[in-house]
Amino acid sequence: DGGITQSPKYLFRKEGQNVTLSCEQNLNHDAMYWYRQDPGQGLRLIYYSQIVNDFQKGDIAEGYSVSREKKESFPLTVTSAQKNPTAFYLCASSIATGGPLNFGAGTRLSVL
Amino acid sequence: GENVEQHPSTLSVQEGDSAVIKCTYSDSASNYFPWYKQELGKRPQLIIDIRSNVGEKKDQRIAVTLNKTAKHFSLHITETQPEDSAVYFCAASRWGNNNDMRFGAGTRLTVKP
Repeated sequence: DGGITQSPKYLFRKEGQNVTLSCEQNLNHDAMYWYRQDPGQGLRLIYYSQIVNDFQKGDIAEGYSVSREKKESFPLTVTSAQKNPTAFYLCASSIATGGPLNFGAGTRLSVL
Repeated sequence: GENVEQHPSTLSVQEGDSAVIKCTYSDSASNYFPWYKQELGKRPQLIIDIRSNVGEKKDQRIAVTLNKTAKHFSLHITETQPEDSAVYFCAASRWGNNNDMRFGAGTRLTVKP
């Protein structure tokens, strides 16, 4: 999928549960991003990472956490503190921060 | 931080007509302005972009113009076709400056046959 893979495609979360969305890229890109998209709305930035072991909060980081232990991987955890997690989550990468983004196919998260 | 505004939110045109979508940005240091097309249920795809050192860029039926002084940029689609129907997003960033990319709210373009 264009070098960036998100899994799973669909995910269901129970009340009080943490869930983790996977994002892997084989493009050798330094920068990776997580965006949230709600129906009929734009892309809101959750977190981004310029380099391994470094990441920055975006506009809506509350209730989410990330890690960047490997260049290829940037998983997103939706914690129980995120009270309205239902959305389409898009991971992206770029050769450097602020550059052209390559998006994954997305994960659609719903609450049971 | 950067704030990007996009207009209109919806746009309906007849096949063969032109479509124009406009965006403004707030950070005068932004130097990279991409446009993405997102079809229903799919990932956004980059369709055209422009750097701040040029004023216009064309690729077949699509073009982007940039006015740095006014801090606005526009997407122009000529000879629209039904397959152009999608949501279009503009974005702005400072490429390579530990800066994230901020998006406009999107424009839903419908091309009527």
